Amino acid sequence: EAGVAQSPRYKIIEKRQSVAFWCNPISGHATLYWYQQILGQGPKLLIQFQNNGVVDDSQLPKDRFSAERLKGVDSTLKIQPAKLEDSAVYLCASSPGHGETQYFGPGTRLLVL
Amino acid sequence: TQLLEQSPQFLSIQEGENLTVYCNSSSVFSSLQWYRQEPGEGPVLLVTVVTGGEVKKLKRLTFQFGDARKDSSLHITAAQPGDTGLYLCAGKNSGNMLTFGGGTRLMVKP
Repeated sequence: EAGVAQSPRYKIIEKRQSVAFWCNPISGHATLYWYQQILGQGPKLLIQFQNNGVVDDSQLPKDRFSAERLKGVDSTLKIQPAKLEDSAVYLCASSPGHGETQYFGPGTRLLVL
Repeated sequence: TQLLEQSPQFLSIQEGENLTVYCNSSSVFSSLQWYRQEPGEGPVLLVTVVTGGEVKKLKRLTFQFGDARKDSSLHITAAQPGDTGLYLCAGKNSGNMLTFGGGTRLMVKP
């Protein structure tokens, strides 16, 4: 069974530029999560989708971050404009349903210069 | 906000030594999970503990959930270089949301 796929794996941009990350969850998984993991810290949940609806986005900085899961399958996370403090690994995870075991992708490592 | 504190943050030991990693909170969790994360990869679930006082063993790894479901520990016996990685605890609240600790970075030297 294929795991959670993420792309790109690495991205380097300058501050104030825009960037987008893509996630394809495990087939059939209804719930999708985006986490931000700053170096030396544990992952922090940014947003959770149940199918194509948002369950929780309370920790998403909505002035610059946006995410969508239009068809309830893959998802994109966008940052516009990026700040230096956005440098982190962005992890996508999926689970069969809300509250069930989460499976993580390899992450996208973002460096903002 | 529920916070999970892990200690130590860093641990470097020789192969064959034993170690314990702690995960503490002032909040009660419905369950607690331990993950291991290797460089360039996402976290991988090792175990979930649900009941206060519960002990689970996974080969040389022993996980314990505190009686009050506020803390947990991970004990590794006879550590091996393959155990090297970032160990993360994560508590699940009544809303089924995961809160991660800051992690313990373990290096086991041959």
